[in-house]
Amino acid sequence: SQQGEEDPQALSIQEGENATMNCSYKTSINNLQWYRQNSGRGLVHLILIRSNEREKHSGRLRVTLDTSKKSSSLLITASRAADTASYFCATDHFTGNQFYFGTGTSLTVIP
Amino acid sequence: DGGITQSPKYLFRKEGQNVTLSCEQNLNHDAMYWYRQDPGQGLRLIYYSQIVNDFQKGDIAEGYSVSREKKESFPLTVTSAQKNPTAFYLCASKVYGNSNQPQHFGDGTRLSIL
Repeated sequence: SQQGEEDPQALSIQEGENATMNCSYKTSINNLQWYRQNSGRGLVHLILIRSNEREKHSGRLRVTLDTSKKSSSLLITASRAADTASYFCATDHFTGNQFYFGTGTSLTVIP
Repeated sequence: DGGITQSPKYLFRKEGQNVTLSCEQNLNHDAMYWYRQDPGQGLRLIYYSQIVNDFQKGDIAEGYSVSREKKESFPLTVTSAQKNPTAFYLCASKVYGNSNQPQHFGDGTRLSIL
């Protein structure tokens, strides 16, 4: 299966702290995407990083990609209670239209 | 506003019954997808369609069927052959042919067995 793996499965932090979650995949990718899912809702796209990029920022989000290790990390700085959600990575393995999702990290930010 | 609408939000299936989940988008996207989400397993692809009147099986297509008669619509039927249908079903769409574009998701349908 192409499905990636994320760790940790669950993460609990205090408001204001940084949260880091990791995604590993098995075969070469064209790009990797991070999504957020609030409980009982659909996924919302956060950020896309291409295979030739190493780091990307969007507001309080910082994504890194290490293709030699086949891994990516998502850092959320200065977390807020509203950041409480599940976070998923998804990889495009050059198919163009099919993506493989990781198992997700459940983040809880305690006010 | 453009988006994806899934209905119903909650659905109950009786033994031996087929049920159909609706997915409509007004984003003018060619590609549409159906995923199944179980706790702790992330999203798994059931079917996807890149163009009207064409669709492809994903990793877990057994017990499901789809149609794509209109660009805007991609309904999923959960047949009686699917013995464990209880899950959260998500529909998504994206621009076809440009892989550096994200998927857009609906808010899901939660299917349970009566």
